[in-house]
Amino acid sequence: AQSVTQLDSQVPVFEEAPVELRCNYSSSVSVYLFWYVQYPNQGLQLLLKYLSGSTLVKGINGFEAEFNKSQTSFHLRKPSVHISDTAEYFCAVSESFGNEKLTFGTGTRLTIIP
Amino acid sequence: GAGVSQSPRYKVAKRGQDVALRCDPISGHVSLFWYQQALGQGPEFLTYFQNEAQLDKSGLPSDRFFAERPEGSVSTLKIQRTQQEDSAVYLCASSLRDDQYNEQFFGPGTRLTVL
Repeated sequence: AQSVTQLDSQVPVFEEAPVELRCNYSSSVSVYLFWYVQYPNQGLQLLLKYLSGSTLVKGINGFEAEFNKSQTSFHLRKPSVHISDTAEYFCAVSESFGNEKLTFGTGTRLTIIP
Repeated sequence: GAGVSQSPRYKVAKRGQDVALRCDPISGHVSLFWYQQALGQGPEFLTYFQNEAQLDKSGLPSDRFFAERPEGSVSTLKIQRTQQEDSAVYLCASSLRDDQYNEQFFGPGTRLTVL
Protein backbone atom coordinates (compact mmCIF):
# COMPACT_ATOMS: atom_id res chain seq x y z
CA ALA A 1 0.00 0.00 0.00
CA GLN A 2 1.05 3.57 -0.60
CA SER A 3 0.50 6.81 1.25
CA VAL A 4 1.07 10.46 0.41
CA THR A 5 1.74 13.30 2.83
CA GLN A 6 1.23 16.95 2.02
CA LEU A 7 2.19 18.72 5.21
CA ASP A 8 1.08 22.20 4.10
CA SER A 9 -2.68 22.50 3.91
CA GLN A 10 -2.51 26.16 2.90
CA VAL A 11 0.28 28.19 1.30
CA PRO A 12 -0.11 31.97 0.76
CA VAL A 13 2.37 33.49 -1.68
CA PHE A 14 2.78 36.97 -3.10
CA GLU A 15 2.29 37.34 -6.82
CA GLU A 16 5.50 36.85 -8.84
CA ALA A 17 7.24 35.18 -5.87
CA PRO A 18 8.52 31.59 -6.07
CA VAL A 19 6.63 28.73 -4.46
CA GLU A 20 7.34 25.17 -3.37
CA LEU A 21 4.59 22.73 -2.43
CA ARG A 22 5.89 19.73 -0.53
CA CYS A 23 4.98 16.10 -1.07
CA ASN A 24 6.37 12.97 0.57
CA TYR A 25 5.26 9.45 -0.18
CA SER A 26 5.60 5.98 1.26
CA SER A 27 5.53 2.76 -0.75
CA SER A 28 7.00 -0.74 -0.68
CA VAL A 29 6.93 -0.99 -4.47
CA SER A 30 8.00 1.09 -7.43
CA VAL A 31 5.65 4.01 -8.05
CA TYR A 32 4.69 6.68 -10.51
CA LEU A 33 4.26 10.19 -9.09
CA PHE A 34 1.86 12.95 -10.09
CA TRP A 35 0.73 16.45 -9.32
CA TYR A 36 -2.86 17.41 -10.08
CA VAL A 37 -4.48 20.86 -9.89
CA GLN A 38 -8.12 21.50 -9.05
CA TYR A 39 -9.50 24.93 -9.87
CA PRO A 40 -12.73 26.01 -8.15
CA ASN A 41 -15.74 24.08 -9.46
CA GLN A 42 -13.62 22.19 -11.97
CA GLY A 43 -12.30 18.65 -12.28
CA LEU A 44 -8.78 17.50 -11.55
CA GLN A 45 -6.20 18.34 -14.20
CA LEU A 46 -2.79 16.68 -14.53
CA LEU A 47 0.06 19.17 -14.03
CA LEU A 48 2.99 16.79 -14.43
CA LYS A 49 4.11 13.22 -13.86
CA TYR A 50 7.22 11.21 -13.10
CA LEU A 51 7.36 7.73 -14.61
CA SER A 52 11.08 7.09 -15.00
CA GLY A 53 14.25 8.71 -16.31
CA SER A 54 15.21 12.28 -15.48
CA THR A 55 14.24 13.16 -11.93
CA LEU A 56 13.36 16.74 -12.89
CA VAL A 57 10.05 16.88 -14.71
CA LYS A 58 8.40 19.88 -16.27
CA GLY A 59 4.68 20.35 -16.55
CA ILE A 60 2.11 22.80 -17.73
CA ASN A 61 1.82 26.43 -16.63
CA GLY A 62 5.51 26.70 -15.75
CA PHE A 63 5.48 24.15 -12.94
CA GLU A 64 8.22 21.58 -12.35
CA ALA A 65 8.90 18.88 -9.78
CA GLU A 66 11.88 16.86 -8.70
CA PHE A 67 11.76 13.21 -7.73
CA ASN A 68 14.09 12.38 -4.83
CA LYS A 69 14.11 8.67 -4.17
CA SER A 70 16.30 8.78 -1.08
CA GLN A 71 14.03 11.32 0.58
CA THR A 72 10.87 9.85 -0.95
CA SER A 73 9.82 13.32 -2.00
CA PHE A 74 8.28 14.91 -5.08
CA HIS A 75 8.09 18.64 -4.37
CA LEU A 76 6.37 20.99 -6.81
CA ARG A 77 7.95 24.33 -7.68
CA LYS A 78 7.26 27.42 -9.74
CA PRO A 79 9.72 30.34 -9.97
CA SER A 80 7.08 33.06 -10.29
CA VAL A 81 3.40 32.60 -9.50
CA HIS A 82 0.40 34.38 -10.95
CA ILE A 83 -3.08 35.10 -9.66
CA SER A 84 -4.37 32.39 -11.98
CA ASP A 85 -2.38 29.76 -10.06
CA THR A 86 -4.80 30.04 -7.14
CA ALA A 87 -6.13 26.49 -6.77
CA GLU A 88 -5.91 23.25 -4.79
CA TYR A 89 -2.90 21.08 -5.61
CA PHE A 90 -2.84 17.33 -5.02
CA CYS A 91 0.15 15.02 -5.04
CA ALA A 92 -0.61 11.40 -5.98
CA VAL A 93 1.10 8.05 -6.51
CA SER A 94 0.25 4.82 -8.26
CA GLU A 95 2.00 1.47 -8.45
CA SER A 96 4.21 1.13 -11.51
CA PHE A 97 2.83 -2.30 -12.28
CA GLY A 98 -0.64 -2.13 -10.77
CA ASN A 99 -4.01 -1.07 -12.11
CA GLU A 100 -3.07 2.61 -12.04
CA LYS A 101 -5.40 3.54 -9.21
CA LEU A 102 -4.22 6.76 -7.62
CA THR A 103 -3.52 7.43 -3.96
CA PHE A 104 -3.83 11.15 -3.22
CA GLY A 105 -2.54 13.43 -0.51
CA THR A 106 -4.92 15.74 1.33
CA GLY A 107 -4.08 18.69 -0.89
CA THR A 108 -2.47 22.12 -0.55
CA ARG A 109 -4.48 25.25 -1.16
CA LEU A 110 -2.29 27.81 -2.93
CA THR A 111 -3.45 31.39 -2.48
CA ILE A 112 -1.78 34.14 -4.46
CA ILE A 113 -1.66 37.53 -2.79
CA PRO A 114 -1.72 40.48 -5.22
CA GLY B 1 -17.21 17.86 -25.71
CA ALA B 2 -14.71 15.04 -25.64
CA GLY B 3 -14.14 15.00 -21.89
CA VAL B 4 -15.52 12.83 -19.10
CA SER B 5 -19.02 13.87 -18.12
CA GLN B 6 -20.92 13.12 -14.94
CA SER B 7 -24.54 13.54 -13.99
CA PRO B 8 -26.15 14.88 -12.01
CA ARG B 9 -23.67 17.56 -10.97
CA TYR B 10 -25.47 18.02 -7.67
CA LYS B 11 -27.67 15.61 -5.76
CA VAL B 12 -29.44 16.12 -2.47
CA ALA B 13 -30.83 13.01 -0.82
CA LYS B 14 -32.64 12.33 2.41
CA ARG B 15 -30.99 9.82 4.70
CA GLY B 16 -32.09 6.35 3.70
CA GLN B 17 -32.75 7.13 0.04
CA ASP B 18 -31.01 5.32 -2.81
CA VAL B 19 -29.03 7.35 -5.35
CA ALA B 20 -27.47 6.60 -8.74
CA LEU B 21 -24.57 8.60 -10.14
CA ARG B 22 -23.67 8.36 -13.83
CA CYS B 23 -20.31 8.62 -15.57
CA ASP B 24 -19.77 8.93 -19.33
CA PRO B 25 -16.08 8.28 -20.04
CA ILE B 26 -14.14 9.52 -23.03
CA SER B 27 -15.07 7.43 -26.06
CA GLY B 28 -12.74 4.47 -26.51
CA HIS B 29 -11.29 4.61 -23.01
CA VAL B 30 -10.91 1.14 -21.59
CA SER B 31 -10.27 1.91 -17.92
CA LEU B 32 -12.72 3.66 -15.61
CA PHE B 33 -12.19 4.69 -12.01
CA TRP B 34 -14.46 6.04 -9.27
CA TYR B 35 -13.10 8.15 -6.43
CA GLN B 36 -14.76 9.74 -3.38
CA GLN B 37 -13.61 13.18 -2.22
CA ALA B 38 -14.82 14.26 1.21
CA LEU B 39 -14.74 17.93 2.12
CA GLY B 40 -11.18 19.11 2.69
CA GLN B 41 -9.68 15.78 1.69
CA GLY B 42 -7.99 14.31 -1.33
CA PRO B 43 -9.87 11.88 -3.56
CA GLU B 44 -9.95 8.27 -2.36
CA PHE B 45 -10.16 5.28 -4.70
CA LEU B 46 -13.42 3.36 -4.73
CA THR B 47 -13.41 0.97 -7.67
CA TYR B 48 -11.87 0.22 -11.09
CA PHE B 49 -13.22 -1.25 -14.33
CA GLN B 50 -11.39 -2.53 -17.36
CA ASN B 51 -14.07 -2.58 -20.05
CA GLU B 52 -17.08 -4.19 -18.36
CA ALA B 53 -15.05 -6.15 -15.81
CA GLN B 54 -14.82 -4.74 -12.29
CA LEU B 55 -11.25 -5.69 -11.42
CA ASP B 56 -10.85 -3.86 -8.13
CA LYS B 57 -13.54 -2.81 -5.68
CA SER B 58 -11.34 -2.71 -2.62
CA GLY B 59 -12.15 0.94 -1.91
CA LEU B 60 -15.92 0.63 -1.67
CA PRO B 61 -16.66 1.58 1.94
CA SER B 62 -19.60 -0.75 2.52
CA ASP B 63 -21.96 -3.15 0.79
CA ARG B 64 -24.34 -0.21 0.29
CA PHE B 65 -22.05 0.92 -2.54
CA PHE B 66 -22.36 -0.81 -5.88
CA ALA B 67 -20.88 0.08 -9.28
CA GLU B 68 -21.48 -1.33 -12.74
CA ARG B 69 -20.37 -0.81 -16.32
CA PRO B 70 -22.43 -3.38 -18.23
CA GLU B 71 -21.40 -2.49 -21.78
CA GLY B 72 -17.90 -1.27 -21.06
CA SER B 73 -18.75 2.37 -21.56
CA VAL B 74 -21.13 4.28 -19.25
CA SER B 75 -20.79 3.48 -15.57
CA THR B 76 -23.19 3.93 -12.68
CA LEU B 77 -22.30 4.19 -9.01
CA LYS B 78 -25.24 3.32 -6.81
CA ILE B 79 -25.49 4.03 -3.11
CA GLN B 80 -28.27 2.36 -1.19
CA ARG B 81 -29.78 3.66 2.05
CA THR B 82 -27.62 6.77 2.01
CA GLN B 83 -26.08 7.99 5.26
CA GLN B 84 -24.77 11.44 6.18
CA GLU B 85 -21.18 10.18 5.97
CA ASP B 86 -21.77 9.47 2.27
CA SER B 87 -21.84 13.22 1.61
CA ALA B 88 -18.90 13.91 -0.71
CA VAL B 89 -17.95 14.67 -4.28
CA TYR B 90 -17.83 11.53 -6.40
CA LEU B 91 -15.27 11.70 -9.19
CA CYS B 92 -15.05 9.52 -12.26
CA ALA B 93 -11.92 9.16 -14.38
CA SER B 94 -11.13 7.24 -17.55
CA SER B 95 -7.97 6.24 -19.37
CA LEU B 96 -6.94 4.41 -22.56
CA ARG B 97 -4.79 1.66 -21.06
CA ASP B 98 -2.78 0.87 -24.17
CA ASP B 99 0.76 1.57 -23.01
CA GLN B 100 3.10 1.63 -20.04
CA TYR B 101 1.19 4.49 -18.49
CA ASN B 102 -2.13 6.04 -19.28
CA GLU B 103 -3.23 9.42 -18.01
CA GLN B 104 -6.50 9.47 -16.11
CA PHE B 105 -8.90 12.17 -17.26
CA PHE B 106 -11.30 13.32 -14.58
CA GLY B 107 -14.88 14.45 -14.83
CA PRO B 108 -16.23 17.45 -12.89
CA GLY B 109 -17.73 15.24 -10.20
CA THR B 110 -21.14 14.81 -8.59
CA ARG B 111 -21.59 16.57 -5.27
CA LEU B 112 -23.82 14.41 -3.05
CA THR B 113 -25.36 15.92 0.05
CA VAL B 114 -27.25 13.60 2.40
CA LEU B 115 -29.57 15.37 4.83
